[in-house]
Amino acid sequence: EDQVTQSPEALRLQEGESSSLNCSYTVSGLRGLFWYRQDPGKGPEFLFTLYSAGEEKEKERLKATLTKKESFLHITAPKPEDSATYLCAVRGGGYNKLIFGAGTRLAVHP
Amino acid sequence: GAVVSQHPSRVICKSGTSVKIECRSLDFQATTMFWYRQFPKQSLMLMATSNEGSKATYEQGVEKDKFLINHASLTLSTLTVTSAHPEDSSFYICSARDSPLRLAGGETQYFGPGTRLLVL
Repeated sequence: EDQVTQSPEALRLQEGESSSLNCSYTVSGLRGLFWYRQDPGKGPEFLFTLYSAGEEKEKERLKATLTKKESFLHITAPKPEDSATYLCAVRGGGYNKLIFGAGTRLAVHP
Repeated sequence: GAVVSQHPSRVICKSGTSVKIECRSLDFQATTMFWYRQFPKQSLMLMATSNEGSKATYEQGVEKDKFLINHASLTLSTLTVTSAHPEDSSFYICSARDSPLRLAGGETQYFGPGTRLLVL
């Protein structure tokens, strides 16, 4: 069964304290791994799509990497405005829908 | 680019009434749209998938007669919650994808801002 597990469930960082969020997945024939950011009371905001192991993408303080079993979202020198829930999702096996993880709630304190 | 809008952003209604939520892709044509439901501090739960011009595919446990989905054009999908009850109160989010799946990989889904429904 296709599955996505995110860890940690919640993460508290001091401003400037770099860290990584993990997304482990089991999927038949990965056809895309997606990272989204969701603020309270809002819809998810697209961050990155990764398609194959070894691929990396960056945007401002965020960098996403992908292996055959997991993806990491690295946050470098985070700021309070990076506080949000980060969602990981995969699409595989020729099916239409995304399989979401439960998310990581990130809180960055000044 | 890739903006998805929803209307209304929040709605309060009386039990037994029907509520319609609109989802629009503003700068691209969405061949496939998705409707999700999200409870507080939980992840997104897919309710149904719709392709333009065809019937929606509902996930197991989602009542198709209660949650009516229409995807009449490449930029508009609607979700109608019929005879709403307090247990239908939730955060409803639509999502749109701009092209069919390709063999080389999956297209990105873009999400709307969500609609908060409160049924009294």
